[in-house]
Amino acid sequence: DAKTTQPNSMESNEEEPVHLPCNHSTISGTDYIHWYRQLPSQGPEYVIHGLTSNVNNRMASLAIAEDRKSSTLILHRATLRDAAVYYCILAYNQGGKLIFGQGTELSVKP
Amino acid sequence: NAGVTQTPKFRVLKTGQSMTLLCAQDMNHEYMYWYRQDPGMGLRLIHYSVGEGTTAKGEVPDGYNVSRLKKQNFLLGLESAAPSQTSVYFCASKPLAGGPSVATQYFGPGTRLLVL
Repeated sequence: DAKTTQPNSMESNEEEPVHLPCNHSTISGTDYIHWYRQLPSQGPEYVIHGLTSNVNNRMASLAIAEDRKSSTLILHRATLRDAAVYYCILAYNQGGKLIFGQGTELSVKP
Repeated sequence: NAGVTQTPKFRVLKTGQSMTLLCAQDMNHEYMYWYRQDPGMGLRLIHYSVGEGTTAKGEVPDGYNVSRLKKQNFLLGLESAAPSQTSVYFCASKPLAGGPSVATQYFGPGTRLLVL
């Protein structure tokens, strides 16, 4: 099973960009890269996903390495409400199962 | 739309008791999932369903049963609760559109279960 590796924690200052890295060296050609985040005492929420090309949406940007062995979630201007655990997940083909790792706990300082 | 709702929000059980957790979604999604999350850990998949009347095992299915009699509901049962099943349980659903690897999962608010 393809797995992901993320730093346990990161810190950011409010209003500054944040780059959250993820390594997935055993990714297969059909695995999509998904990012979810979990705010304190809430269920996870979808952030962004991609296959090969970089992706942008209203929440964040996803930069995918050319060899697809790593990716970076970019929050362009961190706010206090972005403090959460961020999960980088490879989506399996069968039933769309998501295998969560421990994620990166992002803290944002005012 | 209410999205994904879970009942109850919190429950305390004694060892050996049984209970059923209810997950309901009003988005007409095909796929539904049950996860558990232990303190400081990521979510682990218990069981999932790819459509009404179908269920499949996830990573940690032992001690749990599920049923998907109606498309909008996914039930998680604990026949004989154990302290190791103390956890937060999350339900999620996902539309069929886009295929299994693509579409977003929508999560409920969670059920906190304490087994004494």
